[in-house]
Amino acid sequence: NAGVTQTPKFQVLKTGQSMTLQCAQDMNHEYMSWYRQDPGMGLRLIHYSVGAGITDQGEVPNGYNVSRSTTEDFPLRLLSAAPSQTSVYFCASSEYRGSNQPQHFGDGTRLSIL
Amino acid sequence: AQSVTQLGSHVSVSEGALVLLRCNYSSSVPPYLFWYVQYPNQGLQLLLKYTSAATLVKGINGFEAEFKKSETSFHLTKPSAHMSDAAEYFCAVTENTGGFKTIFGAGTRLFVKA
Repeated sequence: NAGVTQTPKFQVLKTGQSMTLQCAQDMNHEYMSWYRQDPGMGLRLIHYSVGAGITDQGEVPNGYNVSRSTTEDFPLRLLSAAPSQTSVYFCASSEYRGSNQPQHFGDGTRLSIL
Repeated sequence: AQSVTQLGSHVSVSEGALVLLRCNYSSSVPPYLFWYVQYPNQGLQLLLKYTSAATLVKGINGFEAEFKKSETSFHLTKPSAHMSDAAEYFCAVTENTGGFKTIFGAGTRLFVKA
């Protein structure tokens, strides 16, 4: 049972480039989310999804797109990378049976924008 | 709107000493509260969660937390610190409104001295 898998683990981009961060979970969880982690700021929610075909914005959605075509996958797309998007990105999933369910996190993608 | 405040970005204790990490929350309705731990280069792992069943919650690795509604607090404690407890700890809150946005505190890094 792999849990939540994120790829790649590390990535360096140039300003203006686009890329997709991949996230997959094998626990049949309905809820998935993307966070960015920056020093001293904790985790901030970018986008989330409560099921296939349903996505919504979080706290810091600008510059990012998501889609949820299957229960398992929830990719995050950077449209035109900017240095301010240098961060560690975490994908998480949980059962959607009310907000008392803990989230399961991947190991993160460390992204640097030059 | 919900928010989470963790007092102290860094806490240092001696091995064998009491660990106390502070968390205060703001919520318009009874919240669900979580503590997560993050080891270097890893994602977050659930330590414990409060879901209104009992005010004193026991978690993994000897940690526990007490929900105090009058103080809007959910402080994390461990009677005796171990070197392996050195990590970053995050308090998080989800409001029990059927929505599913979790807000994280900024985190507290715990150092354990030999």
